Amino acid sequence: DTEVTQTPKHLVMGMTNKKSLKCEQHMGHRAMYWYKQKAKKPPELMFVYSYEKLSINESVPSRFSPECPNSSLLNLHLHALQPEDSALYLCASSQERADEQYFGPGTRLTVT
Amino acid sequence: RKEVEQDPGPFNVPEGATVAFNCTYSNSASQSFFWYRQDCRKEPKLLMSVYSSGNEDGRFTAQLNRASQYISLLIRDSKLSDSATYLCVVNSVPSNYQLIWGAGTKLIIKP
Repeated sequence: DTEVTQTPKHLVMGMTNKKSLKCEQHMGHRAMYWYKQKAKKPPELMFVYSYEKLSINESVPSRFSPECPNSSLLNLHLHALQPEDSALYLCASSQERADEQYFGPGTRLTVT
Repeated sequence: RKEVEQDPGPFNVPEGATVAFNCTYSNSASQSFFWYRQDCRKEPKLLMSVYSSGNEDGRFTAQLNRASQYISLLIRDSKLSDSATYLCVVNSVPSNYQLIWGAGTKLIIKP
């Protein structure tokens, strides 16, 4: 079963709100990822967790804060976002590095 | 030069035809190669990993040419449901966690 779940599916938030995106996988994968995707563009890597430790932070603004509570869960905490942060936020996981990554359905975020 | 380059298309192809895409990559040390497909407003889905010996899955065949640093995807007997954007993905070197994504090739299959 190659399933990654994400909640919520859609999120509308104001620039002063605080919200969180959630991701879960039960495949026993050791690496989890957050991507941001704008329309007609490929996914852009934001963060990578490997064995529950943050291993890559692609110079993402501090208004995005990742958290990995355990090997199956990944959160992305959002605070004081800007309208240009509106995008599809994708979570993915892989068994090990350089392995195939499996994506969740994404959260479509709109910042007003 | 971009690290991974694809023709953005769109490729307009009649149903039943064969279509091929190429993708070039710049880092000769890359070891992992993938094709993903993405439908409009959906997540990318892994289509195939690309091995040195090539890979075939039904109507889909992927090839790797290390000498010329490109990978290819061939779709035979195309179906309307094959309409999607096809993304070429290569692992970053030395950080293997990072995948370098091509911009994607849009394929439209016409009845």
